[in-house]
Amino acid sequence: ETGVTQSPTHLIKTRGQQVTLRCSSQSGHNTVSWYQQALGQGPQFIFQYYREEENGRGNFPPRFSGLQFPNYSSELNVNALELDDSALYLCASSLGGRTNIQYFGAGTRLSVL
Amino acid sequence: QKEVEQNSGPLSVPEGAIASLNCTYSDRGSQSFFWYRQYSGKSPELIMSIYSNGDKEDGRFTAQLNKASQYVSLLIRDSQPSDSATYLCAVNIRNTDKLIFGTGTRLQVFP
Repeated sequence: ETGVTQSPTHLIKTRGQQVTLRCSSQSGHNTVSWYQQALGQGPQFIFQYYREEENGRGNFPPRFSGLQFPNYSSELNVNALELDDSALYLCASSLGGRTNIQYFGAGTRLSVL
Repeated sequence: QKEVEQNSGPLSVPEGAIASLNCTYSDRGSQSFFWYRQYSGKSPELIMSIYSNGDKEDGRFTAQLNKASQYVSLLIRDSQPSDSATYLCAVNIRNTDKLIFGTGTRLQVFP
């Protein structure tokens, strides 16, 4: 149990819709990173939030956006859903810094039909 | 060339044997290296972290890092059927704490 919680667990949407995924970080952790994991692949870095500011972004289009709140919880928003957005979305929290370890939540499984 | 490369497997080993998992990375500026275990349908769980050249042992697990060769490995001694999972190698992006993952190696331990 990492103390990182994600909601919802599963979600089914149709192409073109919008979705919001939520993450509560482990107590004391001020950094949240989001990853997308397609079937059979490793997680791919989407973006990271540190103290409510975006702190780096991977190779994802602008329709992937996020927020971090004062309590360090975070949201991932995806607009104009595409079929290829179907994946496991993982949130990881950490204290930040190169040697700090990222702890993952259980993930949200998104299916886009 | 992929930034983090792993053999996808499956790697099949008998119970009690040593499983050896390997990973190479392309960015010489990477400084942090992690092994995560992922059971089917679950999220990644940290097994080991390593930051300096050499070996780091934790119970049945040993991580090995060779920065000159850009190579990191994970040895699992006395493999158990419960070790059957996908093992993900992760490396930090230069001067950041953001991670790049390999595609994972599927390990199967048979009784």
